[in-house]
Amino acid sequence: KAGVTQTPRYLIKTRGQQVTLSCSPISGHRSVSWYQQTPGQGLQFLFEYFSETQRNKGNFPGRFSGRQFSNSRSEMNVSTLELGDSALYLCASSFWGGNEQFFGPGTRLTVL
Amino acid sequence: AQTVTQSQPEMSVQEAETVTLSCTYDTSESNYYLFWYKQPPSRQMILVIRQEAYKQQNATENRFSVNFQKAAKSFSLKISDSQLGDTAMYFCAFMKHATNYGQNFVFGPGTRLSVLP
Repeated sequence: KAGVTQTPRYLIKTRGQQVTLSCSPISGHRSVSWYQQTPGQGLQFLFEYFSETQRNKGNFPGRFSGRQFSNSRSEMNVSTLELGDSALYLCASSFWGGNEQFFGPGTRLTVL
Repeated sequence: AQTVTQSQPEMSVQEAETVTLSCTYDTSESNYYLFWYKQPPSRQMILVIRQEAYKQQNATENRFSVNFQKAAKSFSLKISDSQLGDTAMYFCAFMKHATNYGQNFVFGPGTRLSVLP
């Protein structure tokens, strides 16, 4: 069974631009969560989607948004990029109500 | 809100020795799950072990075992016969039972473990 995939793996953007990251969950998983990982703040929860609906949201500004498609694939978008948005963005999928999340390899975003 | 604390930012252990990583958490929930995830230099998060809060028995996975003390809200990870490949960042995580408001996965700050030859 294929694991969680994330594209692209690396991105370089400049301040003020916007970016879209993609996550394809493991087949059969309908819950997708996104996390931001930085050296200073650690792993912070961004949001969680299930059945195309956002179920839970972390404490991030409105510049961070996401969506989930009918095939459970998810995208997250960051608008008006700031230097502090440079991070590893991790996506994780699970069965709803399951007690384990499976992580993708992450997208490394660098904002210059 | 739930919080997870890992009081050891960094640890080191000699190859083949045993090491214990500490984790404490705070919650008012009675039904939840606890996890240890490993993140090696490749950055891929890998599940090491999980524990259901309603189970008294401590979980074990090969060289990895936990000491789950529910009343004390403590969840430590013991790695026996440490191997060079165990070098990684280790995250303790808490998840309350899923509701319509999400699964609410909360991670600790991590412990960087170095296994020395």
